Amino acid sequence: AQSVTQPDIHITVSEGASLELRCNYSYGATPYLFWYVQSPGQGLQLLLKYFSGDTLVQGIKGFEAEFKRSQSSFNLRKPSVHWSDAAEYFCAVGNQAGTALIFGKGTTLSVSS
Amino acid sequence: NAGVTQTPKFQVLKTGQSMTLQCAQDMNHNSMYWYRQDPGMGLRLIYYSASEGTTDKGEVPNGYNVSRLNKREFSLRLESAAPSQTSVYFCASSLQGATYNEQFFGPGTRLTVL
Repeated sequence: AQSVTQPDIHITVSEGASLELRCNYSYGATPYLFWYVQSPGQGLQLLLKYFSGDTLVQGIKGFEAEFKRSQSSFNLRKPSVHWSDAAEYFCAVGNQAGTALIFGKGTTLSVSS
Repeated sequence: NAGVTQTPKFQVLKTGQSMTLQCAQDMNHNSMYWYRQDPGMGLRLIYYSASEGTTDKGEVPNGYNVSRLNKREFSLRLESAAPSQTSVYFCASSLQGATYNEQFFGPGTRLTVL
């Protein structure tokens, strides 16, 4: 069965430090992968997506993610975190029917000054 | 463009009461979705509608019904609310199937069932 695992429930990073949020997926074929961000009290916003091609994808707000098929991973990175990046981050994979997304349980990012 | 709108924003129900959560999108999207979000559980799909006139069950459909009223509107109904349905409910839409297209989310409805 398809699934998405985000191993880190909560991460704290100092402002200006680099960030990596982990995501592992279970999927039989080529996955369609997404990262969404949710600010407190808000809905979700798409950061970036991977369908095919270049395994390093660029997104909004300075985020990038790298698809590694051999590790079944799609980790999200940012070289320098800003206080406004504090939010909950969700990794998701498209289901095989192409009808919906399967979300991970999320990683909460806190940014310390 | 308002995007995806949801009403109400907050609701408190007593066990056994019924209510309908409303969702509308103005992006001419074909597909619409209802998710619930619970702490530590991420988002779980309740129902989706791939196109006007069709609806299908998601991961957690029990206790809910949906209506795709037209292309713009997709409502979620709780016939007899239970405390286990206390959650934040998100509506989303996409141009076609969610696998290939970005989903746009509404701001959510925070529901408490006492």
